[in-house]
Amino acid sequence: DGGITQSPKYLFRKEGQNVTLSCEQNLNHDAMYWYRQDPGQGLRLIYYSQIVNDFQKGDIAEGYSVSREKKESFPLTVTSAQKNPTAFYLCASSTGNEQYFGPGTRLTVT
Amino acid sequence: SQQGEEDPQALSIQEGENATMNCSYKTSINNLQWYRQNSGRGLVHLILIRSNEREKHSGRLRVTLDTSKKSSSLLITASRAADTASYFCATRYSGGGADGLTFGKGTHLIIQP
Repeated sequence: DGGITQSPKYLFRKEGQNVTLSCEQNLNHDAMYWYRQDPGQGLRLIYYSQIVNDFQKGDIAEGYSVSREKKESFPLTVTSAQKNPTAFYLCASSTGNEQYFGPGTRLTVT
Repeated sequence: SQQGEEDPQALSIQEGENATMNCSYKTSINNLQWYRQNSGRGLVHLILIRSNEREKHSGRLRVTLDTSKKSSSLLITASRAADTASYFCATRYSGGGADGLTFGKGTHLIIQP
């Protein structure tokens, strides 16, 4: 069953803690992306990776970090430096134009 | 950021009617895509139209692109309750920049049974 998975679905953290969101794909896609979605808004690009061991900042990378050690995995760490981390986080992968999205992780920081 | 804008923000119609959503964008694009998002879920790709195409069909979906006006429309014919979702246009800009897609804020479509 091919696809892209994100875990957990819901995540709660205290302010000041770093938290890592998981994203795994078995589609054999080279490119992977992280987006953030706030209520009633579109998606904003946080980081993307076009190939293993390489990644680039998107439009709102401050307070976030990523790694791409394996083709299948692209974890996102939300650090304590992110001023407003509560949001819905979406991971996607792609071979070209069309992007395939995971189900998302809803992060709440209190 | 260079974000597209969908119009209207929300649309409520009766089942069986047609639904039309519009998208405007700001700079030259390679292609424009439409995605659907059910509440609290990931996005699902619906259709892609390239910058040299003017119209494209897929099942009950019809997409048009007018590059001179920097706008696109998505028409859903014979709507069904299952079409209730948010619809986003996304553009891939030509000429560099971040490699992700740039999304609009979406149109929330409600199909009344």
